[in-house]
Amino acid sequence: AQSVSQHNHHVILSEAASLELGCNYSYGGTVNLFWYVQYPGQHLQLLLKYFSGDPLVKGIKGFEAEFIKSKFSFNLRKPSVQWSDTAEYFCAVNDNTDKLIFGTGTRLQVFP
Amino acid sequence: SAVISQKPSRDICQRGTSLTIQCQVDSQVTMMFWYRQQPGQSLTLIATANQGSEATYESGFVIDKFPISRPNLTFSTLTVSNMSPEDSSIYLCSVEDSGGADYGYTFGSGTRLTVV
Repeated sequence: AQSVSQHNHHVILSEAASLELGCNYSYGGTVNLFWYVQYPGQHLQLLLKYFSGDPLVKGIKGFEAEFIKSKFSFNLRKPSVQWSDTAEYFCAVNDNTDKLIFGTGTRLQVFP
Repeated sequence: SAVISQKPSRDICQRGTSLTIQCQVDSQVTMMFWYRQQPGQSLTLIATANQGSEATYESGFVIDKFPISRPNLTFSTLTVSNMSPEDSSIYLCSVEDSGGADYGYTFGSGTRLTVV
């Protein structure tokens, strides 16, 4: 069965630090990849997605992610985080079943 | 993107009772998905609901506990049956949006369930 791994469970950074959150998936076929963010007390919001083309995708709020097929990875990056980026980040993958499977999530805390 | 209306937004229920959650979509969709987000956890897929057929449940979820209806292409319900405090979670429905540049998934606003 499809699985998604997020190895960083809790990340603590100071403002202006760079961020990289790991995401690996298990499916060997064609996949569509997503990163969602959930701010405290709020609903899921799509940050970015990849389904074809340029493996480096840019999303909202300065986030980007790189799809590396050979590594089954879709890591999320931001060059300089802000206090307002404090949130839970979820990587999600769908395969040819159309089901969207989520990783365990990474809690990011950014201190001023 | 599709727009989903999910209700109730929250409820507090007594153990042993059942709660039915409704999701209404503003367009016809083939599949609807139901998720559970336990406190401090990620989203776990409960089942996939197709119109005209029985829902397909993920490992660890059964129809007797989470019966699902899908009477047409714009509506679905999830019932949490015989509730216990362990069922306290946020329940969300989701649909897969159309293809092309708008491809993705839309989520309902969620139902925060507390079982006492």
